[in-house]
Amino acid sequence: EVQLVESGGGLVKPGGSLRLSCVASGFTFSSYSVNWVRQAPGKGLEWVSSISSSSSYKYYADSVKGRFTISRDNAKNSLYLQMRSLRAEDTAVYYCVREDYFNSQPLDYWGQGVLVTVSS
Amino acid sequence: DIQMTQSPSSLSASVGDRVTITCRASQSISTFLNWYQQKPGKAPKLLIYAASNLQSGVPSRFSGSGSGTDFTFTISSLQREDFATYYCQQSYGTPPWSFGHGTKLEI
Repeated sequence: EVQLVESGGGLVKPGGSLRLSCVASGFTFSSYSVNWVRQAPGKGLEWVSSISSSSSYKYYADSVKGRFTISRDNAKNSLYLQMRSLRAEDTAVYYCVREDYFNSQPLDYWGQGVLVTVSS
Repeated sequence: DIQMTQSPSSLSASVGDRVTITCRASQSISTFLNWYQQKPGKAPKLLIYAASNLQSGVPSRFSGSGSGTDFTFTISSLQREDFATYYCQQSYGTPPWSFGHGTKLEI
């Protein structure tokens, strides 16, 4: 069974930093691109960042470019999102999501999400 | 970047109804279009990928069609458990990926 479990969320002050983690199981993690997608309270889905299977390619939404860094450790089946210079508008549930390259790249498995709140 | 326009933003329907949601891309995306269902407090769930392919385990009352810039998502006969928010998403080429703003399907 494919599972993605996020951790590391919490309350942080504006300008602060936070590191999210996601541990994957039930599939060959090193063969898949993975993404972070977020959802602000009461709002829609926003893609945040993507990293290729071997970390060769990293992509970011304009809204987080220069502040967030995506990384992975295939030996630990883990995905990370380092978030710096956090703003109130970064408040959201952050989902770790697998991308199915073999079927036109849909986001086929999602974690349960972790809440990040940026507030003074 | 590719923009996705989804309509309607909300929809009222009854059990047994046929409902249709549309999604338009700002440029041609071939069939790189996916549909998700999200229930309150839950993660989104993939229903349809590559415009018309049913994800494993998803009931056949859900379907999708379209190519290029115009896409349609249909539920042939609404069940009570289908009341949720639905999103389209493009996965054409390389990121950034983009989502429609969602359609809230209400009783």
